[in-house]
Amino acid sequence: EVHLVESGGNLVQPGGSLRLSCAASGFIFNSHSMNWVRQAPGKGLDWISFISSSGETVHYADSVKGRFTISRDNDNNSVFLQMNSLRVDDTAVYYCARDLGADTTFDYWGPGTLVTVSS
Amino acid sequence: DIQMTQSPASLSASIGDRVAITCRASQSVDIHLNWYRLKPGEAPRLLIFSTSGLQYGVPSRFSGSGSGTDFILTISSLQPEDFATYYCQQGSRIPFTFGPGTKVEI
Repeated sequence: EVHLVESGGNLVQPGGSLRLSCAASGFIFNSHSMNWVRQAPGKGLDWISFISSSGETVHYADSVKGRFTISRDNDNNSVFLQMNSLRVDDTAVYYCARDLGADTTFDYWGPGTLVTVSS
Repeated sequence: DIQMTQSPASLSASIGDRVAITCRASQSVDIHLNWYRLKPGEAPRLLIFSTSGLQYGVPSRFSGSGSGTDFILTISSLQPEDFATYYCQQGSRIPFTFGPGTKVEI
């Protein structure tokens, strides 16, 4: 069974940093691209980053480009999101999501981790 | 960026009702359109991929249709667990944008 679990969410001040982790199990991790998607309070879903199965290709939404960095460790079945220069509008539940593989389809999601940016 | 819109923004329905949600893209996404259900406190669940593909384990009361810019998610007979918010998402071009959601309420 596919299982994704995010961790690392916390309360942080504006301008601060956080590193999110997503532990994956139940599938061949290095065969799938991975993504991060977030949902701000009372808002809809917002894709923010993609990483290919090898880690060689990454993409970001404009809202996080230059501040967030996605990476992965295929030996330990994990994907990460390093978040720097955090802003109040980065407050959200952050989900990691597996990519189905054809077009970008998020077929399995973790339960999410809450990031709150506030002074 | 490809902008996604959904209609209606919300709807009221009863158990057993047939429900249709529309999604429109600002430019063609071919068939690269997916649907998700999101319930409070739960992880989002993929329902339909590539316009009409039923995700493994998803009940057959869910179906999808369309192509290009106009798509429909249909629930043939609404069940209690279907009261939730539904999102479409295009997988054609970066950034992979979502619609604003449709809330299905009793």
